[in-house]
Amino acid sequence: GENVEQHPSTLSVQEGDSAVIKCTYSDSASNYFPWYKQELGKRPQLIIDIRSNVGEKKDQRIAVTLNKTAKHFSLHITETQPEDSAVYFCAATSPRGYGQNFVFGPGTRLSVLP
Amino acid sequence: DTAVSQTPKYLVTQMGNDKSIKCEQNLGHDTMYWYKQDSKKFLKIMFSYNNKELIINETVPNRFSPKSPDKAHLNLHINSLELGDSAVYFCASSQGVRDRGGEQFFGPGTRLTVL
Repeated sequence: GENVEQHPSTLSVQEGDSAVIKCTYSDSASNYFPWYKQELGKRPQLIIDIRSNVGEKKDQRIAVTLNKTAKHFSLHITETQPEDSAVYFCAATSPRGYGQNFVFGPGTRLSVLP
Repeated sequence: DTAVSQTPKYLVTQMGNDKSIKCEQNLGHDTMYWYKQDSKKFLKIMFSYNNKELIINETVPNRFSPKSPDKAHLNLHINSLELGDSAVYFCASSQGVRDRGGEQFFGPGTRLTVL
């Protein structure tokens, strides 16, 4: 089955610096790669996603890159702000029956220091 | 309007009891999920239903039984609760086309504490 690894497990950056989180996956059938942000005591919320036919996607300060050959994808946050502090999860999704199977990475706790 | 809702938000119960958590989505999605998030924050899928049909059933004790009366609801029943069942349980839904993938929306979570 699918296995998703995520690094680093914790990341501290100064406000205004960039943060990069990397994930690898094992199942070549995976075709959709979302990133979720989870603040303390809240639900995971989608911040950006990328499909397997795209190499890069950007939304303001957030970007995601995908290398299908190497089976890895990364989240880039520029000009970090204290409100970016949260746990970030990557996920790889593959078809399962008529639906999808989501496999999440173990998460990265990002702390943005003022 | 709440897209994915769960009840109850908190559940405190004794070992050995049976409890249920309810989930409803009003997004018209065809796939629903249950996840368990433990104290280390790992998000692990437990079950998934597509149009009321079970499509994912991970290695979960058979004390856990999902029930989907219709595609807008996916309830989770847990028998003979154990201390290790303490966690936050999230329901989620998505409108995934199997060859494209679709955004998954999470409910607010149910914090289960087994004493």
